[in-house]
Amino acid sequence: GNSVTQMEGPVTLSEEAFLTINCTYTATGYPSLFWYVQYPGEGLQLLLKATKADDKGSNKGFEATYRKETTSFHLEKGSVQVSDSAVYFCALTLLNTGFQKLVFGTGTRLLVSP
Amino acid sequence: DVKVTQSSRYLVKRTGEKVFLECVQDMDHENMFWYRQDPGLGLRLIYFSYDVKMKEKGDIPEGYSVSREKKERFSLILESASTNQTSMYLCASSLGRANTGELFFGEGSRLTVL
Repeated sequence: GNSVTQMEGPVTLSEEAFLTINCTYTATGYPSLFWYVQYPGEGLQLLLKATKADDKGSNKGFEATYRKETTSFHLEKGSVQVSDSAVYFCALTLLNTGFQKLVFGTGTRLLVSP
Repeated sequence: DVKVTQSSRYLVKRTGEKVFLECVQDMDHENMFWYRQDPGLGLRLIYFSYDVKMKEKGDIPEGYSVSREKKERFSLILESASTNQTSMYLCASSLGRANTGELFFGEGSRLTVL
């Protein structure tokens, strides 16, 4: 089946530290990959995406590269801010199934302290 | 600005009550989804709909039903609420099948069943 595995949290960092949140996937086809973010008290919103191998998605200083050889899509940011504190979800969708259903990981909570 | 609105942010119900969770989107999206979010389990798809009056079961449909009488509105119904349905419920919408998988989420409805 199709699944996404994320590192367990919480991840606790000081402001300006480097961030990595690991994400690996299992898929029967060629998925598109996504990172969604959920800020406190809000719904999820798309952070970045990549649709094919070696693509790099980026937004708000975050980056993730679609690595087919390692089936990974790790999220990185060079210098985190307190405002980045949120829950981050890795997800995939298989567009060749004709309908885009998202499969989510369990989420990783990031806590950034001043 | 695009918007998915869930009618109730917080609800407290008693076991056996019938519960309605309402969701409205103003983006003319074809697809609408109901997820539940639980700690350690991430987001799990309950039901989705790709057209008015159409519905499809997701991964955990048991104990739930849905209604989509109008394109902009997607309702989740708990016929007889149980304590194991205490959760955060998230509604989402997206464009038709050609879309690349971006979902737009509401802020969530936190349901407590006593």
